[in-house]
Amino acid sequence: EAGVAQSPRYKIIEKRQSVAFWCNPISGHATLYWYQQILGQGPKLLIQFQNNGVVDDSQLPKDRFSAERLKGVDSTLKIQPAKLEDSAVYLCASSSGQSYSGNTIYFGEGSWLTVV
Amino acid sequence: AQKITQTQPGMFVQEKEAVTLDCTYDTSDPSYGLFWYKQPSSGEMIFLIYQGSYDQQNATEGRYSLNFQKARKSANLVISASQLGDSAMYFCAMREGRNTDKLIFGTGTRLQVFP
Repeated sequence: EAGVAQSPRYKIIEKRQSVAFWCNPISGHATLYWYQQILGQGPKLLIQFQNNGVVDDSQLPKDRFSAERLKGVDSTLKIQPAKLEDSAVYLCASSSGQSYSGNTIYFGEGSWLTVV
Repeated sequence: AQKITQTQPGMFVQEKEAVTLDCTYDTSDPSYGLFWYKQPSSGEMIFLIYQGSYDQQNATEGRYSLNFQKARKSANLVISASQLGDSAMYFCAMREGRNTDKLIFGTGTRLQVFP
């Protein structure tokens, strides 16, 4: 079974430029998450989708970050314009939607963003 | 207030020895779940073990066990018979409540296993 796929793995951009990250979840997983992990910290949830609807985007900086999951499968996270403090790893994860069972959230390898 | 606290930024353990990674949590919700993830240098978060707040027994998964002390609000990870491949960052996380999938992570502990 293929895992959560993310691209690009690495990206370096200048501040005020834009960047987009793509994620393809595990086949059949209804729930998709984007987490931001700043160096030295644990991941922080940015946005959660259930199929193509947003469940939680309370910690998404909406003035510069946007995300979509138009067909309920893959997803794109965009940052425009980027700031230095956006340098982080952006982790995509997916689950069958029943994570209270404890073991169904799977993460990708992340997209590493450096803003200079 | 921190929801998940991991007080050990780094730990060292010799190969084949056991090691305990500490985690304390803070919640007033009676229903919650506690998770441990391993993050090697490649960046992927690998699920290790889960403990539900109503589970009567401590969770175990192979060489991993979770020492769950509900009254103390602690959920320490015990790795037995450490291997060199166990060297990584380890994160404790909590799902708070029954109607959310959102995970709140601690700051992590870097484990180094030496021969």
